[in-house]
Amino acid sequence: SAVISQKPSRDICQRGTSLTIQCQVDSQVTMMFWYRQQPGQSLTLIATANQGSEATYESGFVIDKFPISRPNLTFSTLTVSNMSPEDSSIYLCSVDTGWNTGELFFGEGSRLTVL
Amino acid sequence: GEDVEQSLFLSVREGDSSVINCTYTDSSSTYLYWYKQEPGAGLQLLTYIFSNMDMKQDQRLTVLLNKKDKHLSLRIADTQTGDSAIYFCADKSQGNLIFGKGTKLSVKP
Repeated sequence: SAVISQKPSRDICQRGTSLTIQCQVDSQVTMMFWYRQQPGQSLTLIATANQGSEATYESGFVIDKFPISRPNLTFSTLTVSNMSPEDSSIYLCSVDTGWNTGELFFGEGSRLTVL
Repeated sequence: GEDVEQSLFLSVREGDSSVINCTYTDSSSTYLYWYKQEPGAGLQLLTYIFSNMDMKQDQRLTVLLNKKDKHLSLRIADTQTGDSAIYFCADKSQGNLIFGKGTKLSVKP
């Protein structure tokens, strides 16, 4: 398995500000992903964080709103820009270790509340 | 797009068995997964099953897969209060995991 640390674990933010979430993995992984879990909802994939190139965004998510960095194989950041109350969610970092079974391992999540 | 459906709530008494059901639409699924999310925590992988298997047992957990009906279930034997959580079914579809909305399991003493 992989151990994934996310910071911050929770934050309360003001409307219009931006927040960067960090994700650190204890081993090198090829695939890192960012998910959003809105209150009472399932997980929605925001983007795949690609090492050394621009992230690949899912439909409905754009780089200007959710810029992502992936400087190496163990670290990634997700920024939530110009936040509004609708951005209040849990944001989860996950990794695919490349095993044949294809499961994802998740961080503890970052719970953001936007006032 | 592909979809995964689950019932939203399940309530059982401590010591009983719990059965959480899931249906999916992707006929090319290779693996299906069950994740557990406790309050305020991230997702923990509980178990997975390969699509050419009918059943997988792991201690108190039994996963049944009916590929013809695209139906997956998770049975928890001797359910404990510590099993109270949200359980997500997930299907690997075209490289991404598609999650259901989650089933909230409540265990009453």
